[in-house]
Amino acid sequence: DTGVSQNPRHKITKRGQNVTFRCDPISEHNRLYWYRQTLGQGPEFLTYFQNEAQLEKSRLLSDRFSAERPKGSFSTLEIQRTEQGDSAMYLCASTSNTGTNEQFFGPGTRLTVL
Amino acid sequence: AQSVAQPEDQVNVAEGNPLTVKCTYSVSGNPYLFWYVQYPNRGLQFLLKYITGDNLVKGSYGFEAEFNKSQTSFHLKKPSALVSDSALYFCAAGMDTGRRALTFGSGTRLQVQP
Repeated sequence: DTGVSQNPRHKITKRGQNVTFRCDPISEHNRLYWYRQTLGQGPEFLTYFQNEAQLEKSRLLSDRFSAERPKGSFSTLEIQRTEQGDSAMYLCASTSNTGTNEQFFGPGTRLTVL
Repeated sequence: AQSVAQPEDQVNVAEGNPLTVKCTYSVSGNPYLFWYVQYPNRGLQFLLKYITGDNLVKGSYGFEAEFNKSQTSFHLKKPSALVSDSALYFCAAGMDTGRRALTFGSGTRLQVQP
């Protein structure tokens, strides 16, 4: 399968713990995006990268959130000191700078903070 | 700032009947508009997009959408609904041809009854 992959698919953690999610974009895509989706809502933008550079961050991305894309390939999203309000589906998407411009989404990581 | 509104939480239609899922948008500059569909436990799947050109755009699975600049709308349509079309539909708007952050509507659940 050459689509966007995300791991893990589900994560259950206790409040105060740190969690890290991984996203592997489609191989030739140089733009990578993170979104968060809560129940009954549409996805909300968190941040995006062009290659390894983080170009834009939403105000939703508090100090407890950090994202990296060290070699311009896969990306990680870390949440420190998780809170119950962090419970959501975290979606990753990718696209290329040329050609077709729609974003291709992965299956998401569902985070539950107890 | 850009925003997207989907005024209907749910749309019910009988199989074989035409369907419409409504979307209105507010963006500065040229709008780049997208429709995505989400099935349970799966990521968002791209359906179609409007970038420029013809106001009627055709996409996957027989769906089409009509861009109306004066009404700032981008309604999703299908001439004949299938039970398998039942899913959650999201309208999204973007800038920079859609390669920056997408702003999503809150989603419309489509229920097609046999």
